[in-house]
Amino acid sequence: QVQLQGSGPGLVKPSETLSLTCSVSAYSISSGYYWGWIRQPPGKGLEWIGSMYYSGTTSYNPSLYNPSLRSRVTISVDTSKNQVSLKLTSVTAADTAVYYCVRSPPEGVGALYMWWFDPWDQGTLVTVSS
Amino acid sequence: DIVMTQSPDSLAVSLGERATINCKSSQSVLYSSNNKNWLAWYQQKSGQPPKLLIYWASTRGSGVPDRFSGSGSGTDFTLTISNLQAEDVAVYYCQQYYSTPITFGQGTRLDIK
Repeated sequence: QVQLQGSGPGLVKPSETLSLTCSVSAYSISSGYYWGWIRQPPGKGLEWIGSMYYSGTTSYNPSLYNPSLRSRVTISVDTSKNQVSLKLTSVTAADTAVYYCVRSPPEGVGALYMWWFDPWDQGTLVTVSS
Repeated sequence: DIVMTQSPDSLAVSLGERATINCKSSQSVLYSSNNKNWLAWYQQKSGQPPKLLIYWASTRGSGVPDRFSGSGSGTDFTLTISNLQAEDVAVYYCQQYYSTPITFGQGTRLDIK
Protein backbone atom coordinates (compact mmCIF):
# COMPACT_ATOMS: atom_id res chain seq x y z
CA GLN A 1 0.00 0.00 0.00
CA VAL A 2 1.47 3.33 -1.05
CA GLN A 3 2.71 5.56 1.75
CA LEU A 4 3.72 9.21 1.64
CA GLN A 5 6.04 10.90 4.10
CA GLY A 6 6.77 14.60 4.01
CA SER A 7 9.81 16.28 5.46
CA GLY A 8 11.46 19.68 5.60
CA PRO A 9 12.25 22.66 7.82
CA GLY A 10 9.57 23.59 10.31
CA LEU A 11 10.63 27.25 10.39
CA VAL A 12 11.28 29.55 7.43
CA LYS A 13 12.11 33.25 7.51
CA PRO A 14 9.94 35.78 5.67
CA SER A 15 10.96 36.41 2.04
CA GLU A 16 12.85 33.11 1.90
CA THR A 17 11.95 29.88 0.06
CA LEU A 18 9.98 27.06 1.65
CA SER A 19 11.22 23.65 0.50
CA LEU A 20 9.52 20.35 1.32
CA THR A 21 10.07 16.79 0.14
CA CYS A 22 7.62 13.90 0.01
CA SER A 23 9.08 10.39 -0.03
CA VAL A 24 6.88 7.79 -1.68
CA SER A 25 7.12 4.13 -0.70
CA ALA A 26 5.51 0.96 -2.05
CA TYR A 27 4.84 2.63 -5.41
CA SER A 28 7.05 3.96 -8.19
CA ILE A 29 6.28 7.58 -9.06
CA SER A 30 7.18 6.91 -12.69
CA SER A 31 4.41 4.28 -12.91
CA GLY A 32 1.81 7.01 -13.10
CA TYR A 33 -0.59 9.00 -10.90
CA TYR A 34 -0.54 12.70 -10.21
CA TRP A 35 1.32 14.00 -7.17
CA GLY A 36 0.53 17.23 -5.42
CA TRP A 37 0.44 19.44 -2.36
CA ILE A 38 -2.37 20.87 -0.26
CA ARG A 39 -2.00 23.19 2.72
CA GLN A 40 -4.05 24.02 5.78
CA PRO A 41 -3.37 27.11 7.91
CA PRO A 42 -3.76 26.42 11.64
CA GLY A 43 -7.44 26.09 12.52
CA LYS A 44 -8.55 26.78 8.95
CA GLY A 45 -9.63 24.97 5.80
CA LEU A 46 -7.84 23.28 2.92
CA GLU A 47 -6.14 24.98 -0.04
CA TRP A 48 -4.91 23.14 -3.12
CA ILE A 49 -1.41 24.28 -4.07
CA GLY A 50 -0.80 22.30 -7.24
CA SER A 51 -0.37 18.90 -8.87
CA MET A 52 1.95 17.34 -11.40
CA TYR A 53 2.40 14.17 -13.43
CA TYR A 54 5.78 12.45 -13.23
CA SER A 55 6.46 13.27 -16.88
CA GLY A 56 6.15 17.01 -16.22
CA THR A 57 2.56 18.20 -16.69
CA THR A 58 1.84 20.65 -13.87
CA SER A 59 -1.02 22.80 -12.64
CA TYR A 60 -0.76 25.41 -9.91
CA ASN A 61 -3.28 27.45 -7.94
CA PRO A 62 -3.31 31.01 -9.33
CA SER A 63 -3.83 32.30 -5.78
CA LEU A 64 -0.14 31.58 -5.27
CA TYR A 65 1.03 33.76 -8.13
CA ASN A 66 2.95 36.91 -7.30
CA PRO A 67 1.78 40.39 -8.41
CA SER A 68 3.59 39.97 -11.73
CA LEU A 69 1.55 36.79 -12.31
CA ARG A 70 4.44 34.40 -11.99
CA SER A 71 3.88 31.37 -9.84
CA ARG A 72 5.65 31.29 -6.49
CA VAL A 73 5.20 27.52 -6.54
CA THR A 74 7.28 24.83 -8.17
CA ILE A 75 6.43 21.16 -7.84
CA SER A 76 8.90 18.63 -9.15
CA VAL A 77 9.60 14.91 -9.00
CA ASP A 78 12.83 12.98 -8.66
CA THR A 79 12.11 9.53 -10.03
CA SER A 80 15.53 8.23 -9.01
CA LYS A 81 14.74 9.01 -5.37
CA ASN A 82 10.99 8.41 -5.71
CA GLN A 83 10.30 11.82 -4.22
CA VAL A 84 8.05 14.78 -4.88
CA SER A 85 9.20 18.26 -3.95
CA LEU A 86 7.55 21.60 -3.26
CA LYS A 87 9.21 24.99 -3.41
CA LEU A 88 7.35 28.16 -2.46
CA THR A 89 9.24 31.42 -2.86
CA SER A 90 8.96 34.79 -1.10
CA VAL A 91 7.05 33.40 1.86
CA THR A 92 5.14 35.53 4.36
CA ALA A 93 3.32 34.77 7.60
CA ALA A 94 0.25 33.95 5.48
CA ASP A 95 2.11 30.88 4.21
CA THR A 96 2.23 29.38 7.71
CA ALA A 97 0.36 26.09 7.42
CA VAL A 98 0.46 22.33 7.58
CA TYR A 99 1.55 21.15 4.14
CA TYR A 100 0.23 17.80 2.90
CA CYS A 101 1.62 15.65 0.11
CA VAL A 102 -1.13 13.83 -1.85
CA ARG A 103 -1.74 11.47 -4.75
CA SER A 104 -4.46 11.62 -7.42
CA PRO A 105 -5.58 9.08 -10.05
CA PRO A 106 -3.84 9.25 -13.43
CA GLU A 107 -6.97 9.02 -15.54
CA GLY A 108 -8.77 11.90 -17.16
CA VAL A 109 -11.91 12.51 -19.19
CA GLY A 110 -11.53 14.98 -21.99
CA ALA A 111 -9.66 17.95 -20.56
CA LEU A 112 -10.61 17.13 -16.96
CA TYR A 113 -8.49 15.33 -14.38
CA MET A 114 -9.82 13.06 -11.63
CA TRP A 115 -8.07 15.02 -8.94
CA TRP A 116 -9.49 13.64 -5.75
CA PHE A 117 -6.76 13.05 -3.19
CA ASP A 118 -5.88 9.70 -1.66
CA PRO A 119 -3.72 9.07 0.26
CA TRP A 120 -2.38 12.03 2.24
CA ASP A 121 0.78 12.14 4.27
CA GLN A 122 0.68 13.11 7.95
CA GLY A 123 1.47 16.73 7.12
CA THR A 124 4.42 19.02 7.84
CA LEU A 125 3.86 22.18 9.86
CA VAL A 126 5.80 25.10 8.44
CA THR A 127 5.90 28.36 10.35
CA VAL A 128 7.06 31.54 8.65
CA SER A 129 8.65 33.80 11.20
CA SER A 130 11.82 35.78 11.74
CA ASP B 1 -13.05 29.70 -9.39
CA ILE B 2 -15.84 27.37 -8.23
CA VAL B 3 -16.89 28.33 -4.70
CA MET B 4 -17.96 25.45 -2.46
CA THR B 5 -20.28 26.34 0.42
CA GLN B 6 -21.13 23.84 3.15
CA SER B 7 -23.97 23.92 5.61
CA PRO B 8 -24.23 23.88 8.50
CA ASP B 9 -20.85 25.02 9.83
CA SER B 10 -21.31 22.67 12.76
CA LEU B 11 -23.82 20.17 14.05
CA ALA B 12 -24.29 17.79 16.96
CA VAL B 13 -26.10 14.49 16.52
CA SER B 14 -26.91 11.72 18.97
CA LEU B 15 -25.20 8.35 18.76
CA GLY B 16 -27.05 6.01 16.44
CA GLU B 17 -28.84 8.85 14.68
CA ARG B 18 -28.29 10.28 11.19
CA ALA B 19 -26.10 13.27 10.33
CA THR B 20 -26.60 15.25 7.14
CA ILE B 21 -24.08 17.71 5.70
CA ASN B 22 -24.79 19.81 2.64
CA CYS B 23 -22.46 21.20 -0.01
CA LYS B 24 -23.37 23.66 -2.76
CA SER B 25 -21.13 24.59 -5.67
CA SER B 26 -21.28 27.99 -7.40
CA GLN B 27 -21.55 26.24 -10.76
CA SER B 28 -22.45 22.75 -11.88
CA VAL B 29 -19.79 20.06 -11.45
CA LEU B 30 -21.71 17.56 -13.60
CA TYR B 31 -19.64 16.72 -16.68
CA SER B 32 -21.76 15.71 -19.63
CA SER B 33 -19.01 13.62 -21.25
CA ASN B 34 -19.19 10.96 -18.51
CA ASN B 35 -22.41 12.00 -16.76
CA LYS B 36 -20.63 12.12 -13.42
CA ASN B 37 -20.43 14.74 -10.71
CA TRP B 38 -16.85 15.74 -10.06
CA LEU B 39 -17.17 16.02 -6.29
CA ALA B 40 -15.44 14.34 -3.34
CA TRP B 41 -15.93 14.25 0.44
CA TYR B 42 -13.26 13.98 3.12
CA GLN B 43 -13.20 13.33 6.86
CA GLN B 44 -10.57 14.99 9.05
CA LYS B 45 -10.26 13.86 12.64
CA SER B 46 -8.42 16.01 15.15
CA GLY B 47 -4.67 16.03 14.58
CA GLN B 48 -4.90 13.83 11.48
CA PRO B 49 -4.76 14.42 7.72
CA PRO B 50 -8.00 14.32 5.77
CA LYS B 51 -9.21 10.92 4.58
CA LEU B 52 -11.07 10.36 1.32
CA LEU B 53 -14.63 9.16 1.96
CA ILE B 54 -16.49 9.64 -1.32
CA TYR B 55 -15.65 10.47 -4.94
CA TRP B 56 -17.87 10.89 -8.00
CA ALA B 57 -20.31 12.32 -5.43
CA SER B 58 -21.52 8.86 -4.36
CA THR B 59 -18.74 6.25 -4.71
CA ARG B 60 -17.24 5.20 -1.39
CA GLY B 61 -13.48 5.10 -1.08
CA SER B 62 -11.60 1.96 -0.19
CA GLY B 63 -12.50 0.67 3.27
CA VAL B 64 -15.10 3.36 3.96
CA PRO B 65 -18.06 1.96 5.95
CA ASP B 66 -21.40 1.88 4.17
CA ARG B 67 -22.78 4.15 6.91
CA PHE B 68 -21.32 6.94 4.80
CA SER B 69 -23.22 7.83 1.65
CA GLY B 70 -23.10 10.68 -0.83
CA SER B 71 -25.86 12.00 -3.05
CA GLY B 72 -26.81 14.94 -5.21
CA SER B 73 -26.11 16.26 -8.68
CA GLY B 74 -25.25 19.48 -10.47
CA THR B 75 -24.71 22.04 -7.72
CA ASP B 76 -26.28 20.48 -4.61
CA PHE B 77 -24.79 17.58 -2.72
CA THR B 78 -25.26 15.77 0.58
CA LEU B 79 -23.10 13.59 2.79
CA THR B 80 -25.17 11.36 5.05
CA ILE B 81 -23.76 9.44 7.99
CA SER B 82 -26.20 6.83 9.27
CA ASN B 83 -26.07 5.18 12.69
CA LEU B 84 -23.59 7.78 13.98
CA GLN B 85 -20.66 6.35 15.90
CA ALA B 86 -18.35 8.11 18.37
CA GLU B 87 -15.45 7.72 15.94
CA ASP B 88 -17.30 9.84 13.36
CA VAL B 89 -16.54 13.03 15.30
CA ALA B 90 -14.56 15.05 12.78
CA VAL B 91 -14.59 17.94 10.35
CA TYR B 92 -16.00 17.05 6.92
CA TYR B 93 -15.02 18.78 3.67
CA CYS B 94 -16.43 18.65 0.17
CA GLN B 95 -14.15 19.27 -2.82
CA GLN B 96 -14.77 19.84 -6.51
CA TYR B 97 -12.34 18.55 -9.12
CA TYR B 98 -14.34 19.72 -12.13
CA SER B 99 -11.99 22.63 -12.80
CA THR B 100 -8.80 24.19 -11.54
CA PRO B 101 -8.14 25.65 -9.13
CA ILE B 102 -9.39 22.68 -7.14
CA THR B 103 -11.49 24.09 -4.30
CA PHE B 104 -12.84 22.85 -0.98
CA GLY B 105 -15.78 23.78 1.18
CA GLN B 106 -15.05 25.58 4.45
CA GLY B 107 -15.72 22.42 6.47
CA THR B 108 -18.49 21.19 8.76
CA ARG B 109 -17.70 20.15 12.31
CA LEU B 110 -19.65 17.11 13.55
CA ASP B 111 -19.93 16.38 17.28
CA ILE B 112 -21.91 14.02 19.43
CA LYS B 113 -24.96 15.44 21.20
